[in-house]
Amino acid sequence: EVRLVESGGGLIQPGGSLRLSCAASGFTFTKQWMSWVRQAPGKGLEWVASIKQDGSENFYVDSVKGRFIMSRDNAKNSVYLQMDSLRAEDTAIYYCARHQEDTNYRAFDYWGQGTLVTVSS
Amino acid sequence: DIVMTQSPDSLAVSLGERATINCKSSQNVLYDHNKKNYLAWYQQKPGQPPKLLIYWASIREIGVPDRFSGSGSETDFTLTISSLQPEDVAVYYCQQYYGTPATFGGGTKVEIK
Repeated sequence: EVRLVESGGGLIQPGGSLRLSCAASGFTFTKQWMSWVRQAPGKGLEWVASIKQDGSENFYVDSVKGRFIMSRDNAKNSVYLQMDSLRAEDTAIYYCARHQEDTNYRAFDYWGQGTLVTVSS
Repeated sequence: DIVMTQSPDSLAVSLGERATINCKSSQNVLYDHNKKNYLAWYQQKPGQPPKLLIYWASIREIGVPDRFSGSGSETDFTLTISSLQPEDVAVYYCQQYYGTPATFGGGTKVEIK
């Protein structure tokens, strides 16, 4: 059974940093691209970042470029999202999601339950 | 960026009746090389993560009931629920994965009339 479990969310002041983690199990982690997708309270879905199987390639939405870094540790079957210079508009549930097949350009076939990040003073 | 526009924002349908959701992309998401439309549909129930229903515009994910169907090509797509059931109450999103960033429609809330 495929499982994605996020952790690391919480309340953080504007300008602060937070590191999210996503632990994967039930599939061959090294074969899949992974992404983070967020959802602001009561709003729609926004893709945030993705990472290639070996970590050699990343993509980011413009609004987080230079502030967020996505990484992975294949030995731990985990992906991470380092979030710096956080802003109120980064407040959202952050979901970890698996890409179908082995390329970036695929739908997201498994999602974690999400972790809530609240940026507020 | 490719902008995805869904309509309507919400709809109320009687049990057993058909629900139709539209999604329009600002650019063609049909890739000429493989003739596939890079378009997916997701269902999200309150308090839950999204669930993949349809990919390649018309292929049902394993385990998705056959009352859900996807159609369309290039820039215009439709998700149809042929006979609405109580468990189908949810918000539905379309998403293109043709380009980066992947982008989602604004969502359509489906309720029981």
